[in-house]
Amino acid sequence: QQQVKQSPQSLIVQKGGISIINCAYENTAFDYFPWYQQFPGKGPALLIAIRPDVSEKKEGRFTISFNKSAKQFSLHIMDSQPGDSATYFCAARRSARQLTFGSGTQLTVLP
Amino acid sequence: KAGVTQTPRYLIKTRGQQVTLSCSPISGHRSVSWYQQTPGQGLQFLFEYFSETQRNKGNFPGRFSGRQFSNSRSEMNVSTLELGDSALYLCASSLRQGQIEQYFGPGTRLTVT
Repeated sequence: QQQVKQSPQSLIVQKGGISIINCAYENTAFDYFPWYQQFPGKGPALLIAIRPDVSEKKEGRFTISFNKSAKQFSLHIMDSQPGDSATYFCAARRSARQLTFGSGTQLTVLP
Repeated sequence: KAGVTQTPRYLIKTRGQQVTLSCSPISGHRSVSWYQQTPGQGLQFLFEYFSETQRNKGNFPGRFSGRQFSNSRSEMNVSTLELGDSALYLCASSLRQGQIEQYFGPGTRLTVT
């Protein structure tokens, strides 16, 4: 049973636009929600993460919005650049257990 | 500081064979987790080792096993390979068990024919 649902599967954005990727989770025991970025031929790299006691976290052009009551969180990439083209994964973790990943979103930023 | 290294990077095996993959964590990191990545199933957790002991295990058959050595290096073994085992196997290290930040290696691409 998939515990973290991610959408959309793919996303095409013009340079300078805003990219938005959404995730929804089921397990209310999750206490950590990271986003990973993966380029072809590379392993995922931690991009930004949030805990459920915070509604928003911003790091540069990347922002996580978190809605605890709706059990949803999203990644916003402002001023998207062609170099942001990659696959993005949301994830969730409960206590000191393993990460549960979403299915991934392939982002393409057109020049 | 060197990142997580995985060897080999690419591997082709025949169905029924077994395979051993290796992972060297970032220096000082003592926890190693393994993940399987496939287009259909995405990233799935295999197991986590800390201080040479398996701490967490995902929902994979017993054909998948692992171990960790005293220097924190880890190996995973897959016996009696099946076509469906073709995947990118990723290793991630962290300072200690359950630590938030995990650093992934580039993965080992296993193809089973």
